[in-house]
Amino acid sequence: EVQLAQSGAEVKKPGESLKISCKGSGYSFTSYWIGWVRQMPGKGLELMGIIHPGDSDTRYSPSFQGQVTISVDKSISTAYLQWSSLKASDTAMYYCALIVVVTNTDWYFDLWGRGTLVTVSS
Amino acid sequence: QSVLTQPPSVSAAPGQKVTISCFGSSSNIGSNYVSWYQQLPGTAPKLLVYENNKRPSGIPDRFSGSKSGTSATLGITGLQTGDEADYYCGTWDSSLSAWVFGGGTKLTVL
Repeated sequence: EVQLAQSGAEVKKPGESLKISCKGSGYSFTSYWIGWVRQMPGKGLELMGIIHPGDSDTRYSPSFQGQVTISVDKSISTAYLQWSSLKASDTAMYYCALIVVVTNTDWYFDLWGRGTLVTVSS
Repeated sequence: QSVLTQPPSVSAAPGQKVTISCFGSSSNIGSNYVSWYQQLPGTAPKLLVYENNKRPSGIPDRFSGSKSGTSATLGITGLQTGDEADYYCGTWDSSLSAWVFGGGTKLTVL
């Protein structure tokens, strides 16, 4: 069974760092892009960035460039999303998703993880 | 504000049909494939339709997608209370060189 298993909920203080994870299983992890999607409380979906586990090619959406770091450890089939200094406005649910890429402009999010809730509060 | 515009909410009775629209422009829907996602309350999104009108295995044919010009539509027939969810469209925007989601539509089955 194809699965994306995300790490558990986090409660952090402003200024702290954080790294959350997404472990793929049941498929060739290095063959598919992984995306990270933010959903703020009561709001819609926003793509933060994507990474290709095969070569670590990483692309960030303009709004998130410089705000987060996406990385991968293909030896353990795990992608990461990290912050160096959290803000209260980073409070959100974060989903990872397996992306099927047909062409550079034709892709879709085929499978989603259950999400990691990040709460940042003093 | 998203570049893809969806109605905030739609509603219909059980057994009826509903359509959810997604309006864009020539740089996104007009020139690229659209996908649709269902997010049941308290759960992760799930792929419903990809490449405008294709359904992944396991998605019932009550769900259908279509595209015309710069707009796309998700249709749901034989509505069930279990269809109550938020629905999102998404596509690539060639001008922004970025993936964009619509703002989402909340479906209520009365």
